[in-house]
Amino acid sequence: GNSVTQMEGPVTLSEEAFLTINCTYTATGYPSLFWYVQYPGEGLQLLLKATKADDKGSNKGFEATYRKETTSFHLEKGSVQVSDSAVYFCALRSNTGTASKLTFGTGTRLQVTL
Amino acid sequence: EADIYQTPRYLVIGTGKKITLECSQTMGHDKMYWYQQDPGMELHLIHYSYGVNSTEKGDLSSESTVSRIRTEHFPLTLESARPSHTSQYLCATNDRGHGYTFGSGTRLTVV
Repeated sequence: GNSVTQMEGPVTLSEEAFLTINCTYTATGYPSLFWYVQYPGEGLQLLLKATKADDKGSNKGFEATYRKETTSFHLEKGSVQVSDSAVYFCALRSNTGTASKLTFGTGTRLQVTL
Repeated sequence: EADIYQTPRYLVIGTGKKITLECSQTMGHDKMYWYQQDPGMELHLIHYSYGVNSTEKGDLSSESTVSRIRTEHFPLTLESARPSHTSQYLCATNDRGHGYTFGSGTRLTVV
């Protein structure tokens, strides 16, 4: 079955530091990959996505590249801000069948300090 | 302006009560989902629907039930709430071209 593994948190960084949150996946076929962000007390928001190998998703300074050879979709940001403090979820959606269900990783909490 | 609404945002109720969590969307999407998010943050799919009169159980067994009488609404019901049901419940819709849209969630506490 499908699964997503992402690095455990919490990740604590100083403002302007470089961020990497690792994500690897197991899936049949060619899934679509996503990063979602959850701010305190809120639902999930789509941060970025990639639908095929070598695609790079980007948004708000965050980037992730769909690497089929390493089955990875690591999230990166060059300079984090305090406002980036949140929980980040890696997810995949299988593009086979009709269910279109998302499979999530366990989430990584990011805390950015001044 | 949100396109998917969940009510209530917060709910504290006593054990044994029947509750219904509401989820409404204005986007006309056929596919809708309920996720349960435990305090450790992990998300588990508990119900989904492909359209009106279609409901399926998700990957995590749940004592809750759902209905889909109208495209816009996908309510979740607990007939007899227990403390083990304390969690955050997130509703989502999916349009293949635009991905998932999540509601703000309902944080349920059963005392």
